[in-house]
Amino acid sequence: AQSVTQLGSHVSVSEGALVLLRCNYSSSVPPYLFWYVQYPNQGLQLLLKYTSAATLVKGINGFEAEFKKSETSFHLTKPSAHMSDAAEYFCAVSVSRGSTLGRLYFGRGTQLTVWP
Amino acid sequence: DTEVTQTPKHLVMGMTNKKSLKCEQHMGHRAMYWYKQKAKKPPELMFVYSYEKLSINESVPSRFSPECPNSSLLNLHLHALQPEDSALYLCASSPPGTEENSPLHFGNGTRLTVT
Repeated sequence: AQSVTQLGSHVSVSEGALVLLRCNYSSSVPPYLFWYVQYPNQGLQLLLKYTSAATLVKGINGFEAEFKKSETSFHLTKPSAHMSDAAEYFCAVSVSRGSTLGRLYFGRGTQLTVWP
Repeated sequence: DTEVTQTPKHLVMGMTNKKSLKCEQHMGHRAMYWYKQKAKKPPELMFVYSYEKLSINESVPSRFSPECPNSSLLNLHLHALQPEDSALYLCASSPPGTEENSPLHFGNGTRLTVT
């Protein structure tokens, strides 16, 4: 079975501070991992994805994530938080189940608050 | 702006009503999805269409009926819903080929309230 665990349902940082959102995955096969962001009253927007090409993945809006197989982690970071980063962040894993169509399993989400 | 368009943005319906949610994309994607998202929760997969055929039904009650008239359109027909069905309904699409590593493109959702 595959799943993701996001540690911390709420994270608060000051503007300009480092953002670290944690995600650990469980998968019996090499996973495909994603980070999505959801702003209020909107759908989900892809921040970045890991598909085994490189362990350090750079995404939009200055975010990046590092795939660490030994730790089964895919934590999301941003060196300097901006007020506009306040949103809900979802980590997700996708694993093919023998067909060309896979399912996307979401973590429970982490609400990021940025203080001025 | 999202490339997946959902209408309406908001819908209020009674438990005896019949309504439909609509989703449209023109990116040439051949997989389309319906997700349900309750407040402060992650999206939950409901249905997946691949090349206009229903591929996945996550044991969704029959009061939800999906339809994929063509590769650009996805509908969700609603009938005899319950108040607990109130949620944000998200449509998504993904490119053809290896869907397992293709990111989903989400619409902004339809906020459904069942009274």
